[in-house]
Amino acid sequence: AQSVTQLGSHVSVSEGALVLLRCNYSSSVPPYLFWYVQYPNQGLQLLLKYTSAATLVKGINGFEAEFKKSETSFHLTKPSAHMSDAAEYFCAAPGGSARQLTFGSGTQLTVLP
Amino acid sequence: SQTIHQWPATLVQPVGSPLSLECTVEGTSNPNLYWYRQAAGRGLQLLFYSVGIGQISSEVPQNLSASRPQDRQFILSSKKLLLSDSGFYLCAWRVPGRANNEQFFGPGTRLTVL
Repeated sequence: AQSVTQLGSHVSVSEGALVLLRCNYSSSVPPYLFWYVQYPNQGLQLLLKYTSAATLVKGINGFEAEFKKSETSFHLTKPSAHMSDAAEYFCAAPGGSARQLTFGSGTQLTVLP
Repeated sequence: SQTIHQWPATLVQPVGSPLSLECTVEGTSNPNLYWYRQAAGRGLQLLFYSVGIGQISSEVPQNLSASRPQDRQFILSSKKLLLSDSGFYLCAWRVPGRANNEQFFGPGTRLTVL
């Protein structure tokens, strides 16, 4: 069964520093992977998705993620953190059933001034 | 374009009272619908999903129930709330048949049970 692991429940970076949020998946061939962002008291918003078209995926708000099959990883990065990036981030993949998504446990990103 | 609504946005209820949360989707037909809960400090927990009117699958046995009386309406209910029902409830929808299972989320309802 597909599962998703996010390393680090809390990550803090300084404003302007690199953001790196880690996600590892389990499966022989995961055709699809997602990153969602959740701002306080809001629903989840899709940041980006991997659909096998390209290993480097660019999303909204300057984020990108690289699919690395050899490392079973789909880490989320942003070159320069902004205060507005403070939120919770979820990695997800199809799983559970044919119609479901399996979510990681989430990573809370704090951006320090 | 498609939009998803949830109401109320916030709710404070006493223990033992009933609950009804509503979710509606516009701009699509026959969506797959989902209810999730986020308890404080915890991740997303799938509660129910539905592939059509009157068709409900329960993922976790608990004090809650769901119904889908219309194609684009999904309701989460309880007859008697418990303290442990407090949390942030999210509704989501998916285009049926899409292989990647991408889901689109509503704005959520914050429920506090006192």
